[in-house]
Amino acid sequence: NAGVTQTPKFQVLKTGQSMTLQCAQDMNHEYMSWYRQDPGMGLRLIHYSVGAGITDQGEVPNGYNVSRSTTEDFPLRLLSAAPSQTSVYFCASRRPGLATEQYFGPGTRLTVT
Amino acid sequence: SQQGEEDPQALSIQEGENATMNCSYKTSINNLQWYRQNSGRGLVHLILIRSNEREKHSGRLRVTLDTSKKSSSLLITASRAADTASYFCATDSGNTGKLIFGQGTTLQVKP
Repeated sequence: NAGVTQTPKFQVLKTGQSMTLQCAQDMNHEYMSWYRQDPGMGLRLIHYSVGAGITDQGEVPNGYNVSRSTTEDFPLRLLSAAPSQTSVYFCASRRPGLATEQYFGPGTRLTVT
Repeated sequence: SQQGEEDPQALSIQEGENATMNCSYKTSINNLQWYRQNSGRGLVHLILIRSNEREKHSGRLRVTLDTSKKSSSLLITASRAADTASYFCATDSGNTGKLIFGQGTTLQVKP
């Protein structure tokens, strides 16, 4: 199993550009989440999904869109990038139910200039 | 605001010493999890403790949970240089799908 994969690994955007961060998992996990990590801020939840067709907002959803058309994929869209979105983005997945561990992807380092 | 807050933010110890990290949270939980992150990498699950458990062990790791104080601690015994990493607690309130992370403790273990 590849686990959780993310592409690209690195990305530089100009302010106002849009892009999609890709995330896929091959473990048949229903739950998937996107986090951003900034120095001194830990991980903050952007959006999450409990299954195909179901998404919800996390702690910092503004400026990001998600959709979940399949169990495997959970892309994160930046509609109009801003310098404040410079961060490292992590996708994660886990089985549904109580007390399940989360598996993380390797991250995407995004810089917005 | 984030659910978990960790203390200390940074910890530096010598190899062989024990390292203790604390996590406090705000709302009721179903379970609390600890993760480790090596520099530049994704997070890796270490240990999970349920709300009806008070203590759990896994190798050199010992986790305690005090739901009355809404706090948890992670103890790493006989630390090694390879334990150098950031450690995060994460709270799970139940079947919501959300796992909320704290700000983390950066541990440096000097050889």
